Parts: sequence; C-alpha cells; structure tokens
Amino acid sequence: NAGVTQTPKFQVLKTGQSMTLQCAQDMNHEYMSWYRQDPGMGLRLIHYSVGAGITDQGEVPNGYNVSRSTTEDFPLRLLSAAPSQTSVYFCASSYSDRNEQFFGPGTRLTVL
Amino acid sequence: AQSVAQPEDQVNVAEGNPLTVKCTYSVSGNPYLFWYVQYPNRGLQFLLKYITGDNLVKGSYGFEAEFNKSQTSFHLKKPSALVSDSALYFCAVRDNAGNNRKLIWGLGTSLAVNP
Repeated sequence: NAGVTQTPKFQVLKTGQSMTLQCAQDMNHEYMSWYRQDPGMGLRLIHYSVGAGITDQGEVPNGYNVSRSTTEDFPLRLLSAAPSQTSVYFCASSYSDRNEQFFGPGTRLTVL
Repeated sequence: AQSVAQPEDQVNVAEGNPLTVKCTYSVSGNPYLFWYVQYPNRGLQFLLKYITGDNLVKGSYGFEAEFNKSQTSFHLKKPSALVSDSALYFCAVRDNAGNNRKLIWGLGTSLAVNP
C-alpha cells in the first residue's frame, strides 16, 4: 500500500493564482481531512470528509474548497492564493473519526 | 466547544530519565484523545489513543498515556527517554457529543532529549 500520497511536494504561487493540492489514499478509509501547519499554530483543520460525497468545514475553511467524488481522492483547491496561505499542508485519512489518522508527507506552499 | 492545551512549548530531559509531555482538554461530552509525533520535515505519526476502557493506554515506541477524567488530562509518558525521541508531540481531542466529527489539535510540545 502506498498509504496517503500528496502532490506536489513543493509549490510557489503568485497572489491571485489558483491551484489544487492532490491527496489520495489506497486504504479504503472513509474519513479524510486537510490541515495546515504554521509555526506556533499547531495543526488547524481546513476541511474534512466522512465519506464520498460528504464534506464539511473545519476551523479555517475560508479561501479553500474541497470535494470528495471518490473514496480515494480528496483534493484541496485554493481559489485565489494569498500570502496568508503560505503554509505546510497535510492530508490525512482514517477508517473513521474514532481511529488514528494516517498522514501524507505534506505540501510546502509559498504564496508570493 | 472542544479545546485542547499543551501548556509547555518545550520539554528538556536527559537520556535515560523519565519524560512527561502534558495535555489537558475541554469537551462537553466524552473525549476521544490522541497523541501523535512529528519528526523534522516529516508527516505526523500516530502514537496512541484513548476512546474508552482502561485509563492507562500503551502505544508505540514505549510511550504510554494516562487518561484522568477529573483533571481532564491525558499526559504522555515514557519511563526512559532516548535521544531519538526528540521530536514535536501533538495531543488531539474529539468531543463525541452530538454530531461533532472534528479533531482539534494542541499547538505541540517540542521534546529535546539530551545525551
């Protein structure tokens, strides 16, 4: 099993550009989530999904969209990038919200 | 609303000594509690969890944690620290009340184990 994969590993954007961070898992997990990690801020939940077709907002959803058309994939879209979105983004998955999450390697995003 | 606090930004301990990384939480229902570790430039790895049952939970790499409902704490412990335990440790909590499905994270505690 590849586990949780994320692409790209690194990305530099200009303010106003849009892009999609990809996340996929091959463990048939129902629960998937996106976090951002900033120095001194810990992990903050952006969006999460409890199954295909079902998504919900986390703590910091503004400026981000998600969709979950399949169990495997959970892409995160930045609609119009801003410098405040410079961060490391982690995708995670688990069987349910009671189970431990498996994390991807992260995407380091810089917005200029 | 649920919340979690890790009161120490950094913990320093000598190799071979016991270590404790503290976590306290606030929930309206019953908590699901988790500990994760992050090594430099890596993703997070699961250490252990408390859902229900025995208050002392044993996890990976010799770590354990004790759930204390009266003190709303879930401190991470290890009897004898290793230099390789140096990393960033995160506590996370989910409140099982209502339809809440969100996991909320502490800010992390940096553990430094000195040779």
